[in-house]
Amino acid sequence: EAQVTQNPRYLITVTGKKLTVTCSQNMNHEYMSWYRQDPGLGLRQIYYSMNVEVTDKGDVPEGYKVSRKEKRNFPLILESPSPNQTSLYFCASRGANNEQFFGPGTRLTVL
Amino acid sequence: KNQVEQSPQSLIILEGKNCTLQCNYTVSPFSNLRWYKQDTGRGPVSLTIMTFSENTKSNGRYTATLDADTKQSSLHITASQLSDSASYICVVSENGGFKTIFGAGTRLFVKA
Repeated sequence: EAQVTQNPRYLITVTGKKLTVTCSQNMNHEYMSWYRQDPGLGLRQIYYSMNVEVTDKGDVPEGYKVSRKEKRNFPLILESPSPNQTSLYFCASRGANNEQFFGPGTRLTVL
Repeated sequence: KNQVEQSPQSLIILEGKNCTLQCNYTVSPFSNLRWYKQDTGRGPVSLTIMTFSENTKSNGRYTATLDADTKQSSLHITASQLSDSASYICVVSENGGFKTIFGAGTRLFVKA
């Protein structure tokens, strides 16, 4: 089954403790991206990747890092999380027909 | 600044009725416009995608329109069902399609 998976689905952590949210897709898509969703604001793009080793900033990249060492994986790294990064995070991948597939989401709480 | 604005913020309709959701954007250069449906707590699911040259696209009971001159789009839902209760999000891509700007969504409630 074609899908985008994220782990963990839920995470509660404390300020400053490094964390990684994994994202994997099995559709051989070149384009992947990360978004955060906050109430009343809609999804905002954090980073995107056009292919392996090619990444670029979205609208809200501050405080986040990404890497794309292989096509199927696109982890999101928070080196020093802060409470304002409490949010719902979605990973997505997009195929040649421009249809974007979203993962199930990761709800992160930073205390 | 590139923006996508949706209206109304929320909408309540009776089962079986039709409704239309609006999306205005200022994104430039324009690549494509997509409508998504997002159930609570889940990732968005694509409904339609339109490029500059397309002015209407249907997916079952969902019909999207695009006026690239006025930078407006609408999503029309016909014969609504209880399962249509969700957020509907308008998304516009710029810059060859790599950067995407999301609207805040319209929250639709369909009541029996």
